[in-house]
Amino acid sequence: AQSVAQPEDQVNVAEGNPLTVKCTYSVSGNPYLFWYVQYPNRGLQFLLKYITGDNLVKGSYGFEAEFNKSQTSFHLKKPSALVSDSALYFCAVARYGNNRLAFGKGNQVVVIP
Amino acid sequence: DAGVTQSPTHLIKTRGQHVTLRCSPISGHKSVSWYQQVLGQGPQFIFQYYEKEERGRGNFPDRFSARQFPNYSSELNVNALLLGDSALYLCASSLDSSGGNYNEQFFGPGTRLTVL
Repeated sequence: AQSVAQPEDQVNVAEGNPLTVKCTYSVSGNPYLFWYVQYPNRGLQFLLKYITGDNLVKGSYGFEAEFNKSQTSFHLKKPSALVSDSALYFCAVARYGNNRLAFGKGNQVVVIP
Repeated sequence: DAGVTQSPTHLIKTRGQHVTLRCSPISGHKSVSWYQQVLGQGPQFIFQYYEKEERGRGNFPDRFSARQFPNYSSELNVNALLLGDSALYLCASSLDSSGGNYNEQFFGPGTRLTVL
């Protein structure tokens, strides 16, 4: 079975400061890793994914994430946070050969003006 | 192009009733998955369908069932509703479900089900 841990409930960051949202995963075999964002009363919007290749993945809206196999982590980062980045962020993992997603509990990001 | 669409947007039912939720995938997508998102938690996988066949089922009771139609749209049915079934039900579509070549899933806006 695959699982994701997002250890922090809420991440507060000042506008313009770097933003990091942490994610660790557990899966047998090679993982497929994803970040999604959810705004109030909306579905999930895809940000980025790691399937294979370069450990640093660049995605939408200036976000990036780094895959670290030894630490089983896939932290989401943005160099300079915007107020509009305030939302709920979900990390998800799928096992190779199976595109069933297992999500973490989510992190509420609050960017303070 | 239209994204994944779901209907209805909101639904209120009482305990013991039955509910049907509907999903239309992105044009050309043949795989549909259903997820349940309870308030304050991440989505949990319920079902995946590909070419009208069930390809996966999560840890949900038999009260939950689904099907996929020849046009690749899908229905999720829940019988004998419980208070705990109150949640946002998300549908996601992807090109196919073939292993080894992951096709990302695109999510619809969801159906908010409230069970009283």
